Amino acid sequence: AQKITQTQPGMFVQEKEAVTLDCTYDTSDPSYGLFWYKQPSSGEMIFLIYQGSYDQQNATEGRYSLNFQKARKSANLVISASQLGDSAMYFCAMRDNNNDMRFGAGTRLTVKP
Amino acid sequence: DVKVTQSSRYLVKRTGEKVFLECVQDMDHENMFWYRQDPGLGLRLIYFSYDVKMKEKGDIPEGYSVSREKKERFSLILESASTNQTSMYLCASSPLARKYFGPGTRLTVT
Repeated sequence: AQKITQTQPGMFVQEKEAVTLDCTYDTSDPSYGLFWYKQPSSGEMIFLIYQGSYDQQNATEGRYSLNFQKARKSANLVISASQLGDSAMYFCAMRDNNNDMRFGAGTRLTVKP
Repeated sequence: DVKVTQSSRYLVKRTGEKVFLECVQDMDHENMFWYRQDPGLGLRLIYFSYDVKMKEKGDIPEGYSVSREKKERFSLILESASTNQTSMYLCASSPLARKYFGPGTRLTVT
């Protein structure tokens, strides 16, 4: 069974600094997709970034980038120049060909002014 | 913009009641999903549907059922609500891999 692990229940970062949120995954399928979602206190799930297992380049979307290390099975999210509005829960997720998307337990990020 | 709506943001029900959570999407997506979210456990898949009248069990289907009579609507049913079903319920729809989520329903069973 696929498994997503986020080892950091909570993280703090100073405003304007960069922060890395960890995510490791486990799958035997050669084809899979990795996702990061943000959930602010309002509860909505906001899609941030996607990385395909065959993508050669690390995905980037504005201040978000995904540090994809396939051999280590890690897909860490890097947020550059943190803003107060980045404070939220962040979920890593994976979808492979055998299963629907599965989510990690989440990391609560707090940006300090 | 894709819009996924859920019938209630907050719901309080008594143990043993039958509970319906409704989800509607307006983008003609074939795939729809129900998750529950609990602290420390992330999102867990309850049921999903790839087509009208079609349903598949997710990781934690016990105590739940679903209905998909129309493409745009996917309902989650708690036949006899129990206190351990107190949770945040999230509906999602997707054309392919990426999911679009509704705002969530926070259900409390007393």
